[in-house]
Amino acid sequence: AQSVTQLGSHVSVSEGALVLLRCNYSSSVPPYLFWYVQYPNQGLQLLLKYTSAATLVKGINGFEAEFKKSETSFHLTKPSAHMSDAAEYFCAVSDRGGSYIPTFGRGTSLIVHP
Amino acid sequence: NAGVTQTPKFQVLKTGQSMTLQCAQDMNHNSMYWYRQDPGMGLRLIYYSASEGTTDKGEVPNGYNVSRLNKREFSLRLESAAPSQTSVYFCASSTYGNSGNTIYFGEGSWLTVV
Repeated sequence: AQSVTQLGSHVSVSEGALVLLRCNYSSSVPPYLFWYVQYPNQGLQLLLKYTSAATLVKGINGFEAEFKKSETSFHLTKPSAHMSDAAEYFCAVSDRGGSYIPTFGRGTSLIVHP
Repeated sequence: NAGVTQTPKFQVLKTGQSMTLQCAQDMNHNSMYWYRQDPGMGLRLIYYSASEGTTDKGEVPNGYNVSRLNKREFSLRLESAAPSQTSVYFCASSTYGNSGNTIYFGEGSWLTVV
């Protein structure tokens, strides 16, 4: 069975600082991995996804994530935070075999201070 | 680009009333989903439909019913609303492919049961 853990329900950074949102997964086989972003009062939209083509995945709005099999991690980073990055971020995992339905983490709220 | 459209956006119900949340997608996706989102709980799957004509229970199906009306439409019904069903509901759709199962979400429906 697959599962995903997001460390920290809230992460607070200053504008211009590095953003690091943590995601660890457990899966019986190397999975597909996703990061979604949810802006206030909106639905979730895909930021990026890992499908095995490359371990470093670049997404929209300057975000990227690195798949590290040895650490079972898929952390999301951005070199310099903008005020507009304030949102809820969800990590999700789905197996390559068996159930294709993604399992979502509980989310991390990113707070950006001026 | 409509994507996934769900109605209504906001609804207030009295305990015991019934209502149906409507959802339609125009991306020709096979699979559709209903999630609920509660603070600190992330996204929880209520029901899903892998393809037209099939529906299956997710993590939290009690108190809900669904209908896959056709390939485009997937409705969620609350037969007798309870305060515990106060939540934000998201409809979503996807097609599983070589790059995994990317899910596309609607904008959400805010439901309050008093």
